[in-house]
Amino acid sequence: DSGVTQTPKHLITATGQRVTLRCSPRSGDLSVYWYQQSLDQGLQFLIHYYNGEERAKGNILERFSAQQFPDLHSELNLSSLELGDSALYFCASSPRPGLLAYEQYFGPGTRLTVT
Amino acid sequence: EDKVVQSPLSLVVHEGDTVTLNCSYEVTNFRSLLWYKQEKKAPTFLFMLTSSGIEKKSGRLSSILDKKELFSILNITATQTGDSAVYLCAVSVDTGNQFYFGTGTSLTVIP
Repeated sequence: DSGVTQTPKHLITATGQRVTLRCSPRSGDLSVYWYQQSLDQGLQFLIHYYNGEERAKGNILERFSAQQFPDLHSELNLSSLELGDSALYFCASSPRPGLLAYEQYFGPGTRLTVT
Repeated sequence: EDKVVQSPLSLVVHEGDTVTLNCSYEVTNFRSLLWYKQEKKAPTFLFMLTSSGIEKKSGRLSSILDKKELFSILNITATQTGDSAVYLCAVSVDTGNQFYFGTGTSLTVIP
């Protein structure tokens, strides 16, 4: 158990809908990263938040957005869902970016199925 | 464009064999290279490498980084069926703000 929690575990929804995925980082970690993993794409970096502020954006669609709250949990919002958005969504946390390199610890993931 | 390439894509070996997994990268502002093991769930952290030539070891697994040639290898000796998994290589850039992952090497260990 990495200490990172994600809810829900599974989500099935229809095209055009909007969903919110939630992540709580390990105790003491200030950074939260979101990834999308689909069969043909591998792990794709979406976005990174550090202590409430956005630090880096990867290949995140405009239909997707995220935020990190004062208690450090993070939410990933996916809207106008398409079939191609079906994937595993992982959240990872690490202490903080900076001069020292830190590893990331992954949550169990949320499996999203868009029908 | 930053990229991380792993090889081979897939590997099937017998228990007791030794395997070497490869990871090469082309990124700007390299910070560290990380190896993860993924068994149908979340990736679990194995190693983080920041310096060239210093081997990291954990039991039967070991890894080394070559920052001049821009690659890393992950060795697994005396493989066991429990080693069957996808092994992911990731590179962090820009003071850890962003991580790039390879597509992974799928390892299957046959009894």
